[in-house]
Amino acid sequence: GAVVSQHPSRVICKSGTSVKIECRSLDFQATTMFWYRQFPKQSLMLMATSNEGSKATYEQGVEKDKFLINHASLTLSTLTVTSAHPEDSSFYICSASDPTGAYEQYFGPGTRLTVT
Amino acid sequence: GQNIDQPTEMTATEGAIVQINCTYQTSGFNGLFWYQQHAGEAPTFLSYNVLDGLEEKGRFSSFLSRSKGYSYLLLKELQMKDSASYLCAVSPHGGATNKLIFGTGTLLAVQP
Repeated sequence: GAVVSQHPSRVICKSGTSVKIECRSLDFQATTMFWYRQFPKQSLMLMATSNEGSKATYEQGVEKDKFLINHASLTLSTLTVTSAHPEDSSFYICSASDPTGAYEQYFGPGTRLTVT
Repeated sequence: GQNIDQPTEMTATEGAIVQINCTYQTSGFNGLFWYQQHAGEAPTFLSYNVLDGLEEKGRFSSFLSRSKGYSYLLLKELQMKDSASYLCAVSPHGGATNKLIFGTGTLLAVQP
């Protein structure tokens, strides 16, 4: 199946700083990528839909100025957590669909963010 | 609104069969997915249903009834490695913007 990578896999940052997470589709071009957040023992919560060449679409309750999404190319989307706080500590996962394929979404391995 | 419900936890015995149910109420429907997720890892795709009926794939089967807003995942010949969270997800719109709405997830513990 298609491969989606994320970098970094783990990051620890201090409160008030910003952190950038990259999501890459390695063997296909993705016009749309999705960002999810998962708290311990909970399910995935969709944060936003990342659209190549246009603004991201955010889900209700997600602050677009805090979670900046950039989808500058067909293989790369970035999520920047600005002015991070301890409550932003979570598992962030991206996914992408291969538009030439079927319905399946391919998930990246996730990024564990810890804000101290 | 979007609402997808699953049991929070289930326990089953190695070698047995277990059925994980999922009910959904969404603004639209363009398919239902089941994913498996081990702790600290990304979800992996198990099955996809868009039409009513049963889809079988090895030890795993998934059933869908659109009129009832209901699906189940059936796991046969359970193995210890099947201990994981099982996530039900619905694609309300499909197409290129096929975002997924996930259920609460079911944590399955397989015991010897």
